[in-house]
Amino acid sequence: SQTIHQWPATLVQPVGSPLSLECTVEGTSNPNLYWYRQAAGRGLQLLFYSVGIGQISSEVPQNLSASRPQDRQFILSSKKLLLSDSGFYLCATAGSGYEQYFGPGTRLTVT
Amino acid sequence: AQRVTQPEKLLSVFKGAPVELKCNYSYSGSPELFWYVQYSRQRLQLLLRHISRESIKGFTADLNKGETSFHLKKPFAQEEDSAMYYCALKGTGRRALTFGSGTRLQVQP
Repeated sequence: SQTIHQWPATLVQPVGSPLSLECTVEGTSNPNLYWYRQAAGRGLQLLFYSVGIGQISSEVPQNLSASRPQDRQFILSSKKLLLSDSGFYLCATAGSGYEQYFGPGTRLTVT
Repeated sequence: AQRVTQPEKLLSVFKGAPVELKCNYSYSGSPELFWYVQYSRQRLQLLLRHISRESIKGFTADLNKGETSFHLKKPFAQEEDSAMYYCALKGTGRRALTFGSGTRLQVQP
């Protein structure tokens, strides 16, 4: 079965600082990978998805970017954080039946 | 465009009472729908999917294409059902899901 790791679990960063969140997956190869942001009262917003190494699709224009340097590694980055980037970030993979499996998430607070 | 609407942010019931968490969707094709649950301090996890027509932890959900709904039901709520529930719709192509805004279920003793 697939296991998704995310770190850090929590992060507090000042406005204007860079960001790097990491997601790694075990138990599968060549997975579809996704970054979501979960905001209170707004559900989960798809940010990026990737179908393979170096292949990134952006769903929402924003201050963030994503990269996939290895098959089972997915990174979410920003050069300069905004207050509005605060939220709970989830990494996910897709199962064979289109269901998605989620990591434990990273709580980001931008101050 | 596809959209999932969960009209209730909070649903509070007493233990043993019936529960219905509402979900309506907007999608031009044949939908695939899911319910996800997030218990306190746990990761978001799949509860059930309409295609399986299964009952998980006493919960069921029936797809009603006429009403474009996929409401989650349980006849007798338990305190351990307290959690955040999300309805989700499978998108086209990329296999990403469109999520509703979620409903927090509180089951009081």
